[in-house]
Order: sequence, then C-alpha cells, then structure tokens
Amino acid sequence: EDQVTQSPEALRLQEGESSSLNCSYTVSGLRGLFWYRQDPGKGPEFLFTLYSAGEEKEKERLKATLTKKESFLHITAPKPEDSATYLCAVQDSNYQLIWGAGTKLIIKP
Amino acid sequence: DTAVSQTPKYLVTQMGNDKSIKCEQNLGHDTMYWYKQDSKKFLKIMFSYNNKELIINETVPNRFSPKSPDKAHLNLHINSLELGDSAVYFCASSQDMTGGKTQYFGPGTRLLVL
Repeated sequence: EDQVTQSPEALRLQEGESSSLNCSYTVSGLRGLFWYRQDPGKGPEFLFTLYSAGEEKEKERLKATLTKKESFLHITAPKPEDSATYLCAVQDSNYQLIWGAGTKLIIKP
Repeated sequence: DTAVSQTPKYLVTQMGNDKSIKCEQNLGHDTMYWYKQDSKKFLKIMFSYNNKELIINETVPNRFSPKSPDKAHLNLHINSLELGDSAVYFCASSQDMTGGKTQYFGPGTRLLVL
C-alpha cells in the first residue's frame, strides 16, 4: 500500500539552528514528490517538486533532496518566519497524491 | 488576483442541514480537486475533476456531491450534515492530471457541524 510518513511530528529550533525534516515513502511508480508549506488557517503553499533520486532543489533557506526511499527538507539558519507545518506528498502511478501528516516547525527567536 | 478562491471561509451549521461550498480558479487549469483535512492535519482526496468530468471519487459518503459547471468552477454540496463532517475542506487545481503537475490550493472552508 502506498504510504508517506513524515518525521518528526513537531520540531522546535532556535533561530539560526539548522536541521532537517524527513519524508519516507513507499509508492508504486513515483511520478513526483512534493513539498508544501502550510501556515495556520491557510491552504498549503507549493515549495518544491522532485522527480528522481539524486535530485536537489533550493529556495532561500530551504533545500530538498530525494532518494529512492525518502526525501529531506533541510533548513539552514532558520528564522521565526519559517515556522509552519511542512507537508510532503508523493504522486503515484495513477497520478494521485498521497500525503504525509506533516511536520510542525517552530523557530524561536 | 487570487488563484484559487473558496466561499465561504467559515461555515457553522446544525446537523441534518444541507450546505454548499464554492470554488473558483483563474489559472486556466484543467483539473480541480476537493480535499478534506481532519484535526490531525491529514489531507485526504475526495474528488477530482478533469475538464468537468469526474475522474477520482474516493470512498466518500454519497451525501457529498461535487458539481463542475465549467472547468474553472468546482462546487461541493453536502446533504444531511453529520458531526463527523466537521473539518477544513480545501479546493485545489492543477494544469492537468499528468505526472508532476503542481496543485495550487485555496484558503480552505472551515466547516463546523453542531
């Protein structure tokens, strides 16, 4: 069965303290892995799409990487405004998105 | 210049009532979706429409009926609302249904059934 597991559930960091969020997946026929950011009371906002193992993408303090079993979202020197829930989703061979439960990231000033 | 919009943003209603949520996208996309996000933040696909045609209909009670009058609009009608229907409902759209296409989300409709 296709599945996406994100860890940790919640992560508290001090401003400037770098860390990584994990997204492990099992899927038949991966067509893409997506990272989204969701702020309280808002809809998910697209960050990255990764298509194949070894691929990396960067945006400001965020960098997403992909292997055959998992993806990491690295956050370098985070700021309080990076606080949000980060969601991972994989697209299967039927083009459906399977979502993880998210990691709630809190950056303390 | 909102890309995907939903109305209403909040909906509080009594059990047994019928309600509708509207969604519109101005991105020119062919595919639209309805998701339900429960209290544990899991996003679950409910329906997917491609060019006004129903493509995906997950295990959703038939009290939920989507309607797509044109490819820019996908509305969700819910009959005989139950307590368990309380959740946040998100509309989304993507260029089409092929691989790797980004889905863009609306702001959500917070439904509370009393």
